[in-house]
Amino acid sequence: QVQLQESGPGLVKPSETLSLTCAVSGYSISSGYYWDWIRQPPGKGLEWIGSIYESGSTYYKPSLKSRVTISVDTSKNQFFLKVTSVTAADTAVYYCARANGQFDHDHWGQGTLVIVSS
Amino acid sequence: QSALTQPPSASGSPGQSVTISCTGTSSDVGGYNYVSWYQQHPGKAPKLMIYEVNKRPSGVPDRFSGSKSGNTASLTVSGLQAEDEADYYCSSYAGSSNFCVFGTGTKVTVL
Repeated sequence: QVQLQESGPGLVKPSETLSLTCAVSGYSISSGYYWDWIRQPPGKGLEWIGSIYESGSTYYKPSLKSRVTISVDTSKNQFFLKVTSVTAADTAVYYCARANGQFDHDHWGQGTLVIVSS
Repeated sequence: QSALTQPPSASGSPGQSVTISCTGTSSDVGGYNYVSWYQQHPGKAPKLMIYEVNKRPSGVPDRFSGSKSGNTASLTVSGLQAEDEADYYCSSYAGSSNFCVFGTGTKVTVL
């Protein structure tokens, strides 16, 4: 079955870059679907960050676009998230997820908490 | 792009029904039949319960149903069970500029 697993530092200093990896198993990223990042600040709701298609095309939430980069390595069946110039407002549980063309997210990782603090 | 509006809370007794609303605009909920609903238990990842307004993924009980009228979508949980107590989020496709927007979330309590 399709499984996703996030990994990366749990603590990032303000103004630095947050970098996360999502490893996918049970499905080849290059076979289709969109591969998304979604975050959830502690005690708050879900926020879609962006998406990458197997072709490499990317789509970002407009208000985050200047700071976010999503990339993919199909040879490793992984995709990645970078958020630059982080602040405390970027503290959240970050999820990776698989989505169809209408952004229905049918498989999710377990999530990883990233805290932005000095 | 603003979040879709959901009531903060809803509740019902076991066996009863509860309906959650999700209000957007003509640029998201009202413009497309691409509304989905997610269930999230504490400390867990969200789970897709409804997609394309009223379709259920395999394995989701038929107690869960979705509908839409204008700019408002709704999720109804019939025959409430204890395990239905969770947070529920709606989501909508929002066009080729904003792509995807989530709702503010609703905490469902089974009394």
